[in-house]
Amino acid sequence: GDSVTQMEGPVTLSEEAFLTINCTYTATGYPSLFWYVQYPGEGLQLLLKATKADDKGSNKGFEATYRKETTSFHLEKGSVQVSDSAVYFCALRRNAGKSTFGDGTTLTVKP
Amino acid sequence: GAGVSQSPSNKVTEKGKDVELRCDPISGHTALYWYRQSLGQGLEFLIYFQGNSAPDKSGLPSDRFSAERTGGSVSTLTIQRTQQEDSAVYLCASSLEGAGGGGTQYFGPGTRLTVL
Repeated sequence: GDSVTQMEGPVTLSEEAFLTINCTYTATGYPSLFWYVQYPGEGLQLLLKATKADDKGSNKGFEATYRKETTSFHLEKGSVQVSDSAVYFCALRRNAGKSTFGDGTTLTVKP
Repeated sequence: GAGVSQSPSNKVTEKGKDVELRCDPISGHTALYWYRQSLGQGLEFLIYFQGNSAPDKSGLPSDRFSAERTGGSVSTLTIQRTQQEDSAVYLCASSLEGAGGGGTQYFGPGTRLTVL
């Protein structure tokens, strides 16, 4: 079945550091790929998505590129801020229907 | 409303009791999903409703769990004879699905269930 494996946390960075959170997936066919973010005390919200190979999703300075050859969708940001502290979830989804999520990576950014 | 709402926000119950969790999706959204998030874990799919189609119940962990969606809108997740391992945050999401699917899922704030 489908599965998503993401980098274990927690990840602690200083402000303005470069961020990478790795995500790889196992699925047949061509799923859409997503990153969701859960800020402290808030609900899960979509950060970015990519629906086909080589697509790059981007939002709020975050980027991720759909790499079918390596079955990866790594999340990157060039310069993190304290306000980026949150839990990040990688997920895949085929058309309509359920999403399959990774276990989440907790990011803490220190001033 | 503007987003997906869930009630109650917190529920504490005793082992063996039944509980009902409610989800109000975004108006007009055709699809509704329930997930469970245990401490330190990712989201586990439970059940999915799409329009008038039969629901996908493949994620329900046992026959103690059931869900219904009335009138294509509000959904209730029922857990009978609750067990301590049922303690988790239960998340509801909805989406507007076209013919090809792939609509963005919008999540509610969740119901935190604690079984003593």
